[in-house]
Amino acid sequence: AQSVTQPDIHITVSEGASLELRCNYSYGATPYLFWYVQSPGQGLQLLLKYFSGDTLVQGIKGFEAEFKRSQSSFNLRKPSVHWSDAAEYFCAVGAWAGGTSYGKLTFGQGTILTVHP
Amino acid sequence: SQTIHQWPATLVQPVGSPLSLECTVEGTSNPNLYWYRQAAGRGLQLLFYSVGIGQISSEVPQNLSASRPQDRQFILSSKKLLLSDSGFYLCAWSVGSSGGQFFGPGTRLTVL
Repeated sequence: AQSVTQPDIHITVSEGASLELRCNYSYGATPYLFWYVQSPGQGLQLLLKYFSGDTLVQGIKGFEAEFKRSQSSFNLRKPSVHWSDAAEYFCAVGAWAGGTSYGKLTFGQGTILTVHP
Repeated sequence: SQTIHQWPATLVQPVGSPLSLECTVEGTSNPNLYWYRQAAGRGLQLLFYSVGIGQISSEVPQNLSASRPQDRQFILSSKKLLLSDSGFYLCAWSVGSSGGQFFGPGTRLTVL
């Protein structure tokens, strides 16, 4: 079974600083990987996803993530954080059941990002 | 474009009362549909998923049930709520094998 670990429960950065949120996964095959963002009291918004190909993927809001198979990691990065980026971030790994279209996602526990002015 | 709706947005219910949360998707056909629960300070727990009308799979045994009476409608129910049912309930959809799930705005349920 797949699993996801987000080692950092809470991260604080200053506005304008760079950001890296860590994600490690466990999955027997090539994973489908996702990053989501959740503002308080809201649903989850998909930031970016990795299926195959280029290991550096670009997402919305200036985020990017790099898939490193050797390290089983999919870390999220942003070169300059804005105050509006304060939210909770979830990494997820997907497994697809053979020929069906059903896809189960397993989520990490989330990382809360605080941005100081 | 596709949109997903959930209602109500918030709900306060007494222990032992019934529950019905509704989720509808627009702008797509034959979606896979999912119900998640997010407890305070914890990640997302998949409760149910559905790949078609009338097809429901449960991920964890619990006090809840789900139904899919129409292609783009997914309902989460309970006959008698427990305190432990409190949480933030999220509905999501996906299509095909392209991956990625898209979430609704959620329902905050408080059981007193």
